[in-house]
Amino acid sequence: AQKVTQAQTEISVVEKEDVTLDCVYETRDTTYYLFWYKQPPSGELVFLIRRNSFDEQNEISGRYSWNFQKSTSSFNFTITASQVVDSAVYFCALSEALTGTASKLTFGTGTRLQVTL
Amino acid sequence: KAGVTQTPRYLIKTRGQQVTLSCSPISGHRSVSWYQQTPGQGLQFLFEYFSETQRNKGNFPGRFSGRQFSNSRSEMNVSTLELGDSALYLCASSSPPGAGDQTQYFGPGTRLLVL
Repeated sequence: AQKVTQAQTEISVVEKEDVTLDCVYETRDTTYYLFWYKQPPSGELVFLIRRNSFDEQNEISGRYSWNFQKSTSSFNFTITASQVVDSAVYFCALSEALTGTASKLTFGTGTRLQVTL
Repeated sequence: KAGVTQTPRYLIKTRGQQVTLSCSPISGHRSVSWYQQTPGQGLQFLFEYFSETQRNKGNFPGRFSGRQFSNSRSEMNVSTLELGDSALYLCASSSPPGAGDQTQYFGPGTRLLVL
């Protein structure tokens, strides 16, 4: 069975601080997808990034960066110079990738990030 | 491109009633998935439809059902509502299998309150 663990329930930082959200996953599949989503108070899940299991390249997008390490089954997310607008709940998710489809997402419990002035 | 839309956005029902939620996927997307989010259980997969067929199902009782229409729009139905069914129901759409981007894009959700 697949499992995603986000051990950090809640993180509070002051604006402009860097923050890393941890994600550890378990799967028996050799091919899979990993995702990060952001959920603001409105409730909609906003897609941030998708990573295929065979692509371990780290990625940077503006203030966001992701570190994928298969050896430790981790897919961590760093926000550099955090801003108040980054306040939200962040979810890491895992799906199988059989037959070219990313189906049945398994989510972690989420990390609530609070950024204050 | 318009995003995933869900109707209604908010719903209040009483125990024993049934409810139908609707989801319109992003244009061109043919896969639709449904998820339930509660404070206690978190985000849980309900089912997935593709080409009007249920392709995957989560561990939910038979009171939860769904369907997909030929235009890829999907509905989910919950019969004999229980208090524990109060949740945010999220719909997501994605490209057809093998079509490249396999990201699930989510709608704003329907907040269901069962009294």
